[in-house]
Amino acid sequence: AQKVTQAQTEISVVEKEDVTLDCVYETRDTTYYLFWYKQPPSGELVFLIRRNSFDEQNEISGRYSWNFQKSTSSFNFTITASQVVDSAVYFCALSETNTGNQFYFGTGTSLTVIP
Amino acid sequence: DSGVTQTPKHLITATGQRVTLRCSPRSGDLSVYWYQQSLDQGLQFLIQYYNGEERAKGNILERFSAQQFPDLHSELNLSSLELGDSALYFCASSSLPGLELFFGEGSRLTVL
Repeated sequence: AQKVTQAQTEISVVEKEDVTLDCVYETRDTTYYLFWYKQPPSGELVFLIRRNSFDEQNEISGRYSWNFQKSTSSFNFTITASQVVDSAVYFCALSETNTGNQFYFGTGTSLTVIP
Repeated sequence: DSGVTQTPKHLITATGQRVTLRCSPRSGDLSVYWYQQSLDQGLQFLIQYYNGEERAKGNILERFSAQQFPDLHSELNLSSLELGDSALYFCASSSLPGLELFFGEGSRLTVL
């Protein structure tokens, strides 16, 4: 079973639209971390955010915001007023303490922002 | 710049050959991870090291091996290469196991 599910394989939006990338995770751990990474067309993987399982406070960073809900095991990522530079593949990831802190990545969501 | 250095950036070789990919983690990071990303594929976890010791193994083929040296740099050895091994190989490091990974730019391997 997938530990991290990103059901949206590809999303296209028009510039300035808001877009939410979904991430659902599965764990029995009480202590775990959740992450989002961005992989632009150039190929590098860029760390965006880490959330620990005890902190459900939502976070906003500029046009980016993250909504962590333990009740639904979700860690969704919203980009407000999308820009062409946001076009990338976005990966959600989970690390658990009971599996030696292994990382589990979702399959990624490819976001295309159309000018 | 993540602080993680991978060499070479690009490598073209023939089937049956052997290559070594090298990774220098961020200064002070003890954990090193290796991932494989094939075309249009997600990130496949290969192996993890912590302070020189193997910590976890993923879907790493027997033809592949890795190690982390006392100076904390790591090498991934790929042998008896097949066409299907063509991929982007990422190294990542973290300050502590489980915390955010910082990725190198990757080594793009093409097997002809």
